Amino acid sequence: QLQLQESGPGLVKPSETLSLTCTVSGGSISSSSYYWGWIRQPPGKGLEWIGSIYYSGSTYYNPSLKSRVTISVDTSKNQFSLKLSSVTAADTAVYYCASPPSYCGGDCYFDYWGQGTLVTVSS
Amino acid sequence: DIQMTQSPSSLSASVGDRVTITCRASQGISNYLAWYQQKPGKVPKLLIYAASTLQSGVPSRFSGSGSGTDFTLTISSLQPEDVATYYCQKYNSAPLTFGQGTKVEIK
Repeated sequence: QLQLQESGPGLVKPSETLSLTCTVSGGSISSSSYYWGWIRQPPGKGLEWIGSIYYSGSTYYNPSLKSRVTISVDTSKNQFSLKLSSVTAADTAVYYCASPPSYCGGDCYFDYWGQGTLVTVSS
Repeated sequence: DIQMTQSPSSLSASVGDRVTITCRASQGISNYLAWYQQKPGKVPKLLIYAASTLQSGVPSRFSGSGSGTDFTLTISSLQPEDVATYYCQKYNSAPLTFGQGTKVEIK
């Protein structure tokens, strides 16, 4: 059973860079044929897709966040990471990493989700 | 970019009622649509993919239909454990946009 776990600071100061890592267990990023994703949810609001990454490092991002987002992958550690720069209070959210099911190829829906981690942007 | 619009934003229905939620895409997305259920304080759960395919383990009272721009999620007989917010998501191409959500409550 695939499991994902987000980790990183729960508090980030305004204008700084938010950094999170998703550790995958029960499966291998390097042997996958689909895009792994980051999604966020501000308190009391809906889901927003941030971006996705392929095992090769190919990425695509939400246009609304593209100028501030970098997603990377470390297949040796079976992890992928999110960096969001110049954060403001509007970036306060629960951040989820997620994966499609193993039979998916390319773009797909998300079947496996991490538990989510709340990141608060505040001084 | 394609926008996903759900309606209604919220609804209240009685146990046993048939509930229908609509998701409309601003452009055609074939059947590349998924539905998720998110209970309060919980992680989203995949219910339906390819517009109408029920994910394994999901009760058969849930069903999905539609293609192109108009999609529906139906709960045939609402149960207390179905209280949640439901989201649609397009996945034909990036951006993988979610609808704004529909909150379902028991009357």
